[in-house]
Amino acid sequence: RKEVEQDPGPFNVPEGATVAFNCTYSNSASQSFFWYRQDCRKEPKLLMSVYSSGNEDGRFTAQLNRASQYISLLIRDSKLSDSATYLCVVPLNQAGTALIFGKGTTLSVSS
Amino acid sequence: ETGVTQSPTHLIKTRGQQVTLRCSSQSGHNTVSWYQQALGQGPQFIFQYYREEENGRGNFPPRFSGLQFPNYSSELNVNALELDDSALYLCASSFFSRETDTQYFGPGTRLTVL
Repeated sequence: RKEVEQDPGPFNVPEGATVAFNCTYSNSASQSFFWYRQDCRKEPKLLMSVYSSGNEDGRFTAQLNRASQYISLLIRDSKLSDSATYLCVVPLNQAGTALIFGKGTTLSVSS
Repeated sequence: ETGVTQSPTHLIKTRGQQVTLRCSSQSGHNTVSWYQQALGQGPQFIFQYYREEENGRGNFPPRFSGLQFPNYSSELNVNALELDDSALYLCASSFFSRETDTQYFGPGTRLTVL
């Protein structure tokens, strides 16, 4: 299994749709996980951190299943501005200063 | 904005040449990590510097080397450039502690090797 593996995408959804991205990781010892958002030709920016079973921030919900080594990101009521690439990230070290990124899943929200 | 800056923004080199990329960390941060992002891929960890010493390295050959300076700014040097080195090079700064801390990415340097 690759260290971090994501749905290949792309996901093309209308405004208002709910969309979910999946991610699996290989290191069962990992304690924290992240979702980053990357706009075209820009740097990645932290969207959410996940330290326990899950995290919710407005329209965004991240869930963690340690037994299955699986993380998901749910976006409700999609907006045009949600169009971006979403990167699943697992730290290589405990301090989280070296990160392993998935290839990313591209989301395109249309009106 | 994150406060992390990188220079230059874009760079074109030819095979066999050497390149130096620069990164200025966010104020208060003592750790810099460098990543390579090829087109259509996620960033790949190159190495990390903490207190001017290399503190972890990904699967990159020795021709990728770095420095961190007392003011925590950093350089990434790549020797004997190859076509596959064409990518976006990102640096990220953070404060190293026992607990996980957020990394802040700079805007990147886009390197093209011809």
